[in-house]
Amino acid sequence: NAGVMQNPRHLVRRRGQEARLRCSPMKGHSHVYWYRQLPEEGLKFMVYLQKENIIDESGMPKERFSAEFPKEGPSILRIQQVVRGDSAAYFCASSLEQGALKAFFGQGTRLTVV
Amino acid sequence: GESVGLHLPTLSVQEGDNSIINCAYSNSASDYFIWYKQESGKGPQFIIDIRSNMDKRQGQRVTVLLNKTVKHLSLQIAATQPGDSAVYFCAEIGNQGGKLIFGQGTELSVKP
Repeated sequence: NAGVMQNPRHLVRRRGQEARLRCSPMKGHSHVYWYRQLPEEGLKFMVYLQKENIIDESGMPKERFSAEFPKEGPSILRIQQVVRGDSAAYFCASSLEQGALKAFFGQGTRLTVV
Repeated sequence: GESVGLHLPTLSVQEGDNSIINCAYSNSASDYFIWYKQESGKGPQFIIDIRSNMDKRQGQRVTVLLNKTVKHLSLQIAATQPGDSAVYFCAEIGNQGGKLIFGQGTELSVKP
């Protein structure tokens, strides 16, 4: 039973490019959460999705960021026109039921914007 | 607003000693508190949780204490080992139950 899989593990983008981060939840999990971690800081909630629905996007920046969790395939966090300030580790977590209590985290994608 | 914070950014202990990591929170309405361990280059790993109607919960070598009066949470690690070296985060479940609110983290360093 594989855990939460995120890819790529490391991603380098030039300013202005697009970044796509993928998250495959644990088998059977239909709830996905994305968090961002800046250096030397804790994780900050971005968005909570259930299959084909966005449940809570209160932590998402208003521009350039979007997330989806289609019926088939992984969840995607998309960042358009990346800037240096987007450099961070992005973590995905998944859970079987609604709520973050039983969520399992992936190893993260480390985005570097040059 | 909701926030969870930690008292100390770093903690250095001798192998075999007990470690105590502290956390303050501000949202008295939170139902659950969780401690996570994050090793370098990895994602957070669940250690132990505690519900708001409890004062203490024990796991294997770890104990979490909750003091709702002063909104304080602590993680005690008994007989600390080099493998315990990591950053430890406390987190609370938000009001709607759908997200975790993390503190800044405490880096635990275990000296052999």
